[in-house]
Amino acid sequence: NAGVTQTPKFRILKIGQSMTLQCTQDMNHNYMYWYRQDPGMGLKLIYYSVGAGITDKGEVPNGYNVSRSTTEDFPLRLELAAPSQTSVYFCASSQDMAAGGVDTQYFGPGTRLTVL
Amino acid sequence: AQKITQTQPGMFVQEKEAVTLDCTYDTSDPSYGLFWYKQPSSGEMIFLIYQGSYDQQNATEGRYSLNFQKARKSANLVISASQLGDSAMYFCAMREGGTNAGKSTFGDGTTLTVKP
Repeated sequence: NAGVTQTPKFRILKIGQSMTLQCTQDMNHNYMYWYRQDPGMGLKLIYYSVGAGITDKGEVPNGYNVSRSTTEDFPLRLELAAPSQTSVYFCASSQDMAAGGVDTQYFGPGTRLTVL
Repeated sequence: AQKITQTQPGMFVQEKEAVTLDCTYDTSDPSYGLFWYKQPSSGEMIFLIYQGSYDQQNATEGRYSLNFQKARKSANLVISASQLGDSAMYFCAMREGGTNAGKSTFGDGTTLTVKP
């Protein structure tokens, strides 16, 4: 199983450029998440989705957009990139807690983004 | 609002000794889950252990155990018989149930260094 995959692994953007971070999971999980991790800090939730067609804001959504047209994919869009968006971005997925079992979040390897 | 506090930015432990990493949380939701993750220098997020708010017994996973004190709202991670490979950043996280299902909060982490 591939689990959670993210592309690209690294990216350098210029201020004002836009890009989409891709995230795909093959575990048929309903829940998917996007986090950012600034140096020496914990993860902060940007957006999450509880199923296809349903998304909601997390703690730090400004400057980002998401969509969830399929169960597998949860892309994160950055519009008008700013230096403050320099960070490592993690995508994660988890089983619906109502389905039972441990609600472990499975993380992708991360995307290191630098905005200059 | 949910909140996770890790008060130890850095910890040192001698190889083969036990170490406790502190985590306190704040939530008004009776249904929640507490998680610990390990992040080695390579950057990936590795799930270690989970404790549900209704679980009667403390969770254990191999050398990891979670000291869950619900009244004190603490969920400390205990690592027994430390190994050099345990040197990493450790994050405590919480996810609430109910209408907030999906929203996860991470602490700022504790850097653990295991000395030979």
